[in-house]
Amino acid sequence: ETGVTQTPRHLVMGMTNKKSLKCEQHLGHNAMYWYKQSAKKPLELMFVYNFKEQTENNSVPSRFSPECPNSSHLFLHLHTLQPEDSALYLCASSQDWGGGLAGTGELFFGEGSRLTVL
Amino acid sequence: DQQVKQNSPSLSVQEGRISILNCDYTNSMFDYFLWYKKYPAEGPTFLISISSIKDKNEDGRFTVFLNKSAKHLSLHIVPSQPGDSAVYFCAGYFGNEKLTFGTGTRLTIIP
Repeated sequence: ETGVTQTPRHLVMGMTNKKSLKCEQHLGHNAMYWYKQSAKKPLELMFVYNFKEQTENNSVPSRFSPECPNSSHLFLHLHTLQPEDSALYLCASSQDWGGGLAGTGELFFGEGSRLTVL
Repeated sequence: DQQVKQNSPSLSVQEGRISILNCDYTNSMFDYFLWYKKYPAEGPTFLISISSIKDKNEDGRFTVFLNKSAKHLSLHIVPSQPGDSAVYFCAGYFGNEKLTFGTGTRLTIIP
């Protein structure tokens, strides 16, 4: 079992649909992250949760709604998305906020959820 | 403003030769620099990092060099192997801020 698992791996949705992405980490980490990867762009941080509390919302549109019920689970709820939201959504975790041990920045990523909005 | 730049979107190297991936940054505050490797249909995996107080860090076939005066770092892979074919992301980090990633370089190792 990998450290960070994401479901579904692929998702196709219409602009009026509501869907959710799920992330689960089995590493005992305290911080979890949502990243967006679009073609030819850097990985973009969307949200950060540290000890279940949201510590960063990186100016993400409200059609993306995160939820972190506990330190091991993270959701990204999607509604009324646009075609330009099509991307690979990556979940990551780290020991603590700041990444790695003693804040060295190291993150552990899941395999990603490939989202296509029609 | 892109704080971490990888100006080469792709690189092809013969198997057994040295692969050199480059990264430039603008933020002098970065404490650490990290390299991540990403295969298709997988998430990025941490490869190697370097503290800003060092100029070199080596781990097996992978060596990262940091030139702070030039705000430049590079990842050397020697000898290159077919399994090294992947996209490599450079990232900078400081304090309690977020990791800042570059756009990635696709490395292809030619058998």
